[in-house]
Amino acid sequence: ELKVEQNPLFLSMQEGKNYTIYCNYSTTSDRLYWYRQDPGKSLESLFVLLSNGAVKQEGRLMASLDTKARLSTLHITAAVHDLSATYFCAVEAVDDNQGGKLIFGQGTELSVKP
Amino acid sequence: GAGVSQSPSNKVTEKGKDVELRCDPISGHTALYWYRQSLGQGLEFLIYFQGNSAPDKSGLPSDRFSAERTGGSVSTLTIQRTQQEDSAVYLCASSLIPTGTSLPGMDTQYFGPGTRLTVL
Repeated sequence: ELKVEQNPLFLSMQEGKNYTIYCNYSTTSDRLYWYRQDPGKSLESLFVLLSNGAVKQEGRLMASLDTKARLSTLHITAAVHDLSATYFCAVEAVDDNQGGKLIFGQGTELSVKP
Repeated sequence: GAGVSQSPSNKVTEKGKDVELRCDPISGHTALYWYRQSLGQGLEFLIYFQGNSAPDKSGLPSDRFSAERTGGSVSTLTIQRTQQEDSAVYLCASSLIPTGTSLPGMDTQYFGPGTRLTVL
């Protein structure tokens, strides 16, 4: 059974600091997704990582994927308050090529304080 | 363009009643997914549709839960004889093609705003 674990689950940062969120998963997968969720809102797609060594960057966020280690990281550079949200990683669980459900991590609640 | 829409946005019901939750996917998206988000369980997969058929119903928690999709578009999730443990936010997502198929980049799932269900 595919399991996805994130850490930390809660992260309080000061503006201007850097930090990394980790996402480990238990079985082979070549695709990993990062989503952002603001309080009371739905999930917004941030990154899709499609292969080993993939790196994607958008503003102050950078995501990477190491399929051999079954690890993805979401690195935050010089955090600002607007990045406060809950971040989820998700891995596809594809069965017999019928289309994959996503298995989500527990989420990391990020709070950026002045 | 228009995103995934869901209705109602909030639903309060009494234990034992039936409820119907509706999802309108992005136009042209062939795959549709239902998830449930609750404090204790996080985000859980419920069911997946490709067109009008449901190849994967593995996440439905009991036979009180059912879903259908008509015309390859709108989907309805029905919960019969609701229980307090059914209280959660029900999220619908759609993708142009099923996630995990051989055309990467076209299978990202886009989520709707959710329906918050409260069972009293």
